Amino acid sequence: SAVISQKPSRDICQRGTSLTIQCQVDSQVTMMFWYRQQPGQSLTLIATANQGSEATYESGFVIDKFPISRPNLTFSTLTVSNMSPEDSSIYLCSVGKDRDYNEQFFGPGTRLTVL
Amino acid sequence: DAKTTQPNSMESNEEEPVHLPCNHSTISGTDYIHWYRQLPSQGPEYVIHGLTSNVNNRMASLAIAEDRKSSTLILHRATLRDAAVYYCILRDGKFGNKLVFGAGTILRVKS
Repeated sequence: SAVISQKPSRDICQRGTSLTIQCQVDSQVTMMFWYRQQPGQSLTLIATANQGSEATYESGFVIDKFPISRPNLTFSTLTVSNMSPEDSSIYLCSVGKDRDYNEQFFGPGTRLTVL
Repeated sequence: DAKTTQPNSMESNEEEPVHLPCNHSTISGTDYIHWYRQLPSQGPEYVIHGLTSNVNNRMASLAIAEDRKSSTLILHRATLRDAAVYYCILRDGKFGNKLVFGAGTILRVKS
């Protein structure tokens, strides 16, 4: 299994500012994933982050808006830049442990409210 | 990404079995069928997955149709703690490690 923590657990931010969300895993993993869950909606994959390379973004998400860092095998950050109220969501990171990523483990999420 | 169709919501009585259906008529031969659930105010958690054969684990059973165009997640005895959103997801076993979540089924359990 994997234990994942995220910081902050929640935040309220002003529009136009940026917030960096941290994801820490208790063991080394190759890939980490960042998701967004808008109020009352399902999860949407933002990007996949490999250590040592640039993140791969899904359609509709761009690096300028959601820059991601992956400095080592246990840590990643997602920044939500130039925020607007539409960015109010829960942001979750996840990891896969086995080679085939059959079982992914999710963090508790960061609840972001943009005023 | 292959698409799945699930009922919006289902209701069950406590301690009774629950059968959660999922249709995936466009499934390809390399797609794995995954189930995750999301309890209120938590991140999703893995439930079970399979490719062709039925699967059992401590949480649930997965019954896969012979043509693989549908599957059913079976909770053998629902408890109040099983109230959650259940997601049926197809993962491309050949190229994919990412999960594409659909709308899921909201399961309500009555005491």
